[in-house]
Amino acid sequence: QQQVKQSPQSLIVQKGGISIINCAYENTAFDYFPWYQQFPGKGPALLIAIRPDVSEKKEGRFTISFNKSAKQFSLHIMDSQPGDSATYFCAKGSPSMSGYKLSFGAGTTVTVRA
Amino acid sequence: DGGITQSPKYLFRKEGQNVTLSCEQNLNHDAMYWYRQDPGQGLRLIYYSQIVNDFQKGDIAEGYSVSREKKESFPLTVTSAQKNPTAFYLCASSNVPKQGAGQPQHFGDGTRLSIL
Repeated sequence: QQQVKQSPQSLIVQKGGISIINCAYENTAFDYFPWYQQFPGKGPALLIAIRPDVSEKKEGRFTISFNKSAKQFSLHIMDSQPGDSATYFCAKGSPSMSGYKLSFGAGTTVTVRA
Repeated sequence: DGGITQSPKYLFRKEGQNVTLSCEQNLNHDAMYWYRQDPGQGLRLIYYSQIVNDFQKGDIAEGYSVSREKKESFPLTVTSAQKNPTAFYLCASSNVPKQGAGQPQHFGDGTRLSIL
């Protein structure tokens, strides 16, 4: 049972274009929404994160938008570059009695064409 | 440099064999995690630990075991009971998250396990 549904599975964008990845979550306790970037053969690296009391956060060319009422959040990559070609994962942080867990989306493979 | 070291990078398992994946961190983090990554399925949590000598099952713990005898180390054993062990295994660590304040998880570069 996937608590976070991510789409699309893959996308291709031209250099300089905008990449948009969407995630939807189920109605469970949460307090943190990170995005990770992963290159082949490497572990994921934290890209940007947002807390539910904020509707948007921007860091350089990367922007997270959060819509609490729709239970959705998205990542926008502006002015996409070939170096941005990677797999991106959204996640949802959930505190519980047994400890804190991140639930990950299935990932989106982004290919930026020069 | 602080970070997470996973070894080996590649590992092969024979039928009926247990294998142990190493994970060491020097970030002084209290919490550590093991994930399994399969194509198209994202990361799934196997086990996690928020303090030495204590750990919790994640979503897919069957066929796996862990120990947490030292703060820096969180080895994962893939037992012969795990019938489909071929995957990319990732270890992560973080400061212990507090209510309303999730903490970023830092990942190692993984171990790829294959069946001979």
